[in-house]
Amino acid sequence: DAKTTQPNSMESNEEEPVHLPCNHSTISGTDYIHWYRQLPSQGPEYVIHGLTSNVNNRMASLAIAEDRKSSTLILHRATLRDAAVYYCILRPGNTPLVFGKGTRLSVIA
Amino acid sequence: NAGVTQTPKFRILKIGQSMTLQCTQDMNHNYMYWYRQDPGMGLKLIYYSVGAGITDKGEVPNGYNVSRSTTEDFPLRLELAAPSQTSVYFCASSYSLLTQDRGSYGYTFGSGTRLTVV
Repeated sequence: DAKTTQPNSMESNEEEPVHLPCNHSTISGTDYIHWYRQLPSQGPEYVIHGLTSNVNNRMASLAIAEDRKSSTLILHRATLRDAAVYYCILRPGNTPLVFGKGTRLSVIA
Repeated sequence: NAGVTQTPKFRILKIGQSMTLQCTQDMNHNYMYWYRQDPGMGLKLIYYSVGAGITDKGEVPNGYNVSRSTTEDFPLRLELAAPSQTSVYFCASSYSLLTQDRGSYGYTFGSGTRLTVV
């Protein structure tokens, strides 16, 4: 499986933007970049995914480097409810998602 | 719309006992998955299914069995419980990637079953 590297933890102030980085230098051309997050005591939830172009949805934005070897999940205005573990996952085709340890985001009021 | 429903939410088993973790989805998803999550770790795939009658092993299948007789249900069976199976178990479902590209994205996870084997 293609691997991703994320910082173990990050901290953000409430109402400020958060940029969560993910390195995936061995990504192949057919790998989709997926982001999920897991709130405390809950199952993971889908955040966003993309292949080559930047993507936006109501939850976040995904910025993908031109060479696709890294990506950044952007939360435009962090709230206390965004405190969670964020997983960056490469998914080749229809293969099941493989989760790493993710980045634990703390949001400070 | 209930999404993915897992039962029970909590269970304590004695070593050697058996049990079935239930998972039901009402979104007509063709793919279903079982993951386990140990404390402080990411999720590990146990088994998955791409449709009724089709199942395949994931990263950590030993000690578990699954069946998929209907689109909606994907039960996980533990035959001889061991302390190493103490974990939180998550069931999830999704459309296939091709369908996702048409606008239906992502996995939907259940709320989990916390299992302790003593």
